[in-house]
Amino acid sequence: GEDVEQSLFLSVREGDSSVINCTYTDSSSTYLYWYKQEPGAGLQLLTYIFSNMDMKQDQRLTVLLNKKDKHLSLRIADTQTGDSAIYFCAERGPNTDKLIFGTGTRLQVFP
Amino acid sequence: KAGVTQTPRYLIKTRGQQVTLSCSPISGHRSVSWYQQTPGQGLQFLFEYFSETQRNKGNFPGRFSGRQFSNSRSEMNVSTLELGDSALYLCASSKDLAGGSDTQYFGPGTRLTVL
Repeated sequence: GEDVEQSLFLSVREGDSSVINCTYTDSSSTYLYWYKQEPGAGLQLLTYIFSNMDMKQDQRLTVLLNKKDKHLSLRIADTQTGDSAIYFCAERGPNTDKLIFGTGTRLQVFP
Repeated sequence: KAGVTQTPRYLIKTRGQQVTLSCSPISGHRSVSWYQQTPGQGLQFLFEYFSETQRNKGNFPGRFSGRQFSNSRSEMNVSTLELGDSALYLCASSKDLAGGSDTQYFGPGTRLTVL
């Protein structure tokens, strides 16, 4: 089935690390993505990971993938107030552009 | 390089009317997908087009239709609008994800309000 789940809300202090979690169900997923959405805006691609990788780092962002448990996480180091937004994980299967999105996690960063 | 553009950005319609939304992909991108975003249902896949052909379709009624032109621009149409069609409609483009590891880039969306 197609079901991607995320916790709804995360609140962190500025300068701390944030970890946003995602679980998915489709074992045939080839790529998994993280998108950011700010109020009134579209989706901004943050990073993605191929399903045969278990980690990817890109500046302040670290993606961890546990394919056995179908668990994906996004760690944001040194979280800033500008990181406040909704974060969506998404999975894509083979031979399609179709993305299945998670429910989104609202990240709030306070000073 | 210009990003994905969507027109119009905002639209207000009444029940029973129809609406056409437009999406211009990033230059060189041949694949266009559409998504509906609502507070209740989240982000849901509508359609996927590649080379003027619909390659995949989500679980939406037949009132929702789309097409892609030879220049890769795409339109989606919603007929007989219902209140529940009020949403942010997002378009995304890629070179061709299904063929490899490319990524999908989203436009700013069209905010449709049905009264």
